[in-house]
Amino acid sequence: DAGVTQSPTHLIKTRGQHVTLRCSPISGHKSVSWYQQVLGQGPQFIFQYYEKEERGRGNFPDRFSARQFPNYSSELNVNALLLGDSALYLCASATRGLAGYNEQFFGPGTRLTVL
Amino acid sequence: LAKTTQPISMDSYEGQEVNITCSHNNIATNDYITWYQQFPSQGPRFIIQGYKTKVTNEVASLFIPADRKSSTLSLPRVSLSDTAVYYCLVVYGGATNKLIFGTGTLLAVQP
Repeated sequence: DAGVTQSPTHLIKTRGQHVTLRCSPISGHKSVSWYQQVLGQGPQFIFQYYEKEERGRGNFPDRFSARQFPNYSSELNVNALLLGDSALYLCASATRGLAGYNEQFFGPGTRLTVL
Repeated sequence: LAKTTQPISMDSYEGQEVNITCSHNNIATNDYITWYQQFPSQGPRFIIQGYKTKVTNEVASLFIPADRKSSTLSLPRVSLSDTAVYYCLVVYGGATNKLIFGTGTLLAVQP
């Protein structure tokens, strides 16, 4: 079975632009979570979606938004990019429920560079 | 203020047992502690999860004392391939917006 997949692998944008990152969970997983990992730091929680509804949100500005589709894939959108948004964006899927209470399976991430 | 802290780095030799600690203040009775392993340019990989006393699986053990303010990941007989960054994760008070990864511990295993 395929693991969690993310696209694109790498992305370079300039300040002020918008970006969309995509994630496909493991087949049968209904929960998708997004994390931002700045180089040298631990992942920071951005969003969790379960059964197409937002179930949790971390301390990120409204420039960050996400959604989950009927096939449980997900998109993370970031508007008005700042230099500080440069990071590895990780997607994780789980079979159910609240992120952190179940084993999460992480994708390889999308490396976003903002110039 | 919920905070999850770990030692920045640890060194070990092949075949030794390694214990990595995580401090998590303000943890509540039913908050779970989860440990992940991360290699460069990869997403984290689940190791073990628990919320009290001791949990053991085929790769690690997790020890949680009665006050639950800290936890210890124990890796028996490490090998070179265990060189990685290890993160603990706590969801404080069951609130997803307080899902906090630790600062990470870089474990370097030498021959």
